[in-house]
Amino acid sequence: QKEVEQDPGPLSVPEGAIVSLNCTYSNSAFQYFMWYRQYSRKGPELLMYTYSSGNKEDGRFTAQVDKSSKYISLFIRDSQPSDSATYLCAMSAGGGNKLTFGTGTQLKVEL
Amino acid sequence: EAGVAQSPRYKIIEKRQSVAFWCNPISGHATLYWYQQILGQGPKLLIQFQNNGVVDDSQLPKDRFSAERLKGVDSTLKIQPAKLEDSAVYLCASSLDSDRAFQETQYFGPGTRLLVL
Repeated sequence: QKEVEQDPGPLSVPEGAIVSLNCTYSNSAFQYFMWYRQYSRKGPELLMYTYSSGNKEDGRFTAQVDKSSKYISLFIRDSQPSDSATYLCAMSAGGGNKLTFGTGTQLKVEL
Repeated sequence: EAGVAQSPRYKIIEKRQSVAFWCNPISGHATLYWYQQILGQGPKLLIQFQNNGVVDDSQLPKDRFSAERLKGVDSTLKIQPAKLEDSAVYLCASSLDSDRAFQETQYFGPGTRLLVL
């Protein structure tokens, strides 16, 4: 079993839809949870950063962490074609501990 | 602020050849990471430097991969000899300082796309 599981997709939605992306994990030591966006032939860029459980909102993006279920989510409201990318979840136990990434979910937002 | 720079952007070699990648992190960032991202997978950490010292190289295939970070700034990653399964994108990332209690944000470069034939 992988430490971090993420559905690879692809996920295709119409413009304006609400998108839900999810990851599950098995390591209860994970305390820091991140979502990265990766456009084709580019490096990942940090989208959301959350510590421990709870919600965090930034514009059209909301990150949720449920540590009791070992489940994290990223919601994108009013999705745009420019949101078409691969979304990677990443997590760590903190400090000098390494980031463990999911496989990424490929999202396509269509006009 | 300039981002993480990597070169070359693309490289095609034949198996058993050697190849080297270069990374220049964001100015002032003490920590530098090399990741391998195979198609359809998330990045996997190969090696982490704190200044010019190695913090974690547990997933680096040391029989063929080597990395150095002289003077605690630029870094090179070398593969010798290359195998077909080394075909991947090699990402370099940097962060301010990994020697802290909380998780520092990592900033990624554009990557070097390697194809081994």
